[in-house]
Amino acid sequence: GENVEQHPSTLSVQEGDSAVIKCTYSDSASNYFPWYKQELGKRPQLIIDIRSNVGEKKDQRIAVTLNKTAKHFSLHITETQPEDSAVYFCAAFTGGGNKLTFGTGTQLKVEL
Amino acid sequence: NAGVTQTPKFRILKIGQSMTLQCAQDMNHNYMYWYRQDPGMGLKLIYYSVGAGITDKGEVPNGYNVSRSTTEDFPLRLELAAPSQTSVYFCASRQGGQETQYFGPGTRLLVL
Repeated sequence: GENVEQHPSTLSVQEGDSAVIKCTYSDSASNYFPWYKQELGKRPQLIIDIRSNVGEKKDQRIAVTLNKTAKHFSLHITETQPEDSAVYFCAAFTGGGNKLTFGTGTQLKVEL
Repeated sequence: NAGVTQTPKFRILKIGQSMTLQCAQDMNHNYMYWYRQDPGMGLKLIYYSVGAGITDKGEVPNGYNVSRSTTEDFPLRLELAAPSQTSVYFCASRQGGQETQYFGPGTRLLVL
């Protein structure tokens, strides 16, 4: 089955700096890669996603890049703000399996 | 449109007790999922369903059972609660042909 690895497990940045979170996946059949943000005590919320036929997608301060050959994808947050502090999860979806496989999460802390 | 709803929000169980976690969605989604999230960890798939009357095991199904008699509801049953089942349980759903999953608010379960 699919295996998703996520790094780093914790990330601390200064407000205004950029943050990058990286994930690798194992199943070349995976074709959809969402990123979820989870604030303490809340449900995971989708913040951005990318499909395998696209190399990069951007939405205001967040962007995701995908390298299908290397089987890795990354989340980029620019101009970080304190409200970006949360746990971020990457995931990979394999259509044949009908399910998402999640990474282990990255605790992002944006310091003033 | 309430989206995905879960009850109860929080429950304390004694070892050996049983309970049913409720999940409902009003978006007419075919696919529904149950995940557990242990403290500081990612989401692990327990069971999922591709439609009424059809369920399948995920990564960590032991100790749980599910049923899907209607499109709207996907209850998760714990028969003999164990301390290892202390976790936060999230239900999610998605429409067939679309990969995006929408999560419920979660049920926090403590087994003592």
